[in-house]
Amino acid sequence: DIQMTQSPSSLSASVGDRVTITCRASQSINSYLNWYQQKPGKAPQLLIYASSSLQSGVPSRFSGSGSGTDFILTISSLQPEDFATYYCQHSYNIPFTFGPGTKVNIK
Amino acid sequence: QVQLQESGPGLVKPSETLSLTCTVSGGSVISASYYWTWIRQPPGRGLEWIGYIYYSGSTNYDPSLKSRVSISLNTSNNQFSLKLNSLTAADTAVYYCARGESSTYYDVFDLWGQGTMVSVSS
Repeated sequence: DIQMTQSPSSLSASVGDRVTITCRASQSINSYLNWYQQKPGKAPQLLIYASSSLQSGVPSRFSGSGSGTDFILTISSLQPEDFATYYCQHSYNIPFTFGPGTKVNIK
Repeated sequence: QVQLQESGPGLVKPSETLSLTCTVSGGSVISASYYWTWIRQPPGRGLEWIGYIYYSGSTNYDPSLKSRVSISLNTSNNQFSLKLNSLTAADTAVYYCARGESSTYYDVFDLWGQGTMVSVSS
């Protein structure tokens, strides 16, 4: 199985900050990498798919990059509603696996 | 718009079988464009993919759960279901149903139900 890791596991940031979250796969997954946002008590929501494609309706301050084993999620200017946990997930092969998550806290 | 809603027992005894249903409204489970999947999240932990089913009935499961899991379609009621047997406390989780979309360049879970909490305890 492909293992996904994320760093950091948590971070504290202020409104307006630029935030980057890193996701690493245990082997090359080309660009088969998705990002989800989950708020407490809610289901995850798709933000980015195929490494860098923005899901419809997602604000343009979210962006994704990377290919192979290393990927980045960037929030260009953190907004109050962005405080949440972010998960990466590969869809290269079965089983699909998620990263452990990165919790973005208010500083 | 399309919505997904999980239903099932909130408490199940160890060694028993969990049965959950996901009702799809505003769209059809008989769609060549999508597949239907189950994902779970143990309390305070991350997301775990369980498996999926296509409209054709073709399925795929996480190998670690494959011996205990079954996903099926009920086209008459526009639902799909999860059965997980030989339950232990480790199966305690929020269970989500979700819609999957696949192409040459991606596989994504683009629509989720709200989730249902299942506790395994005697």
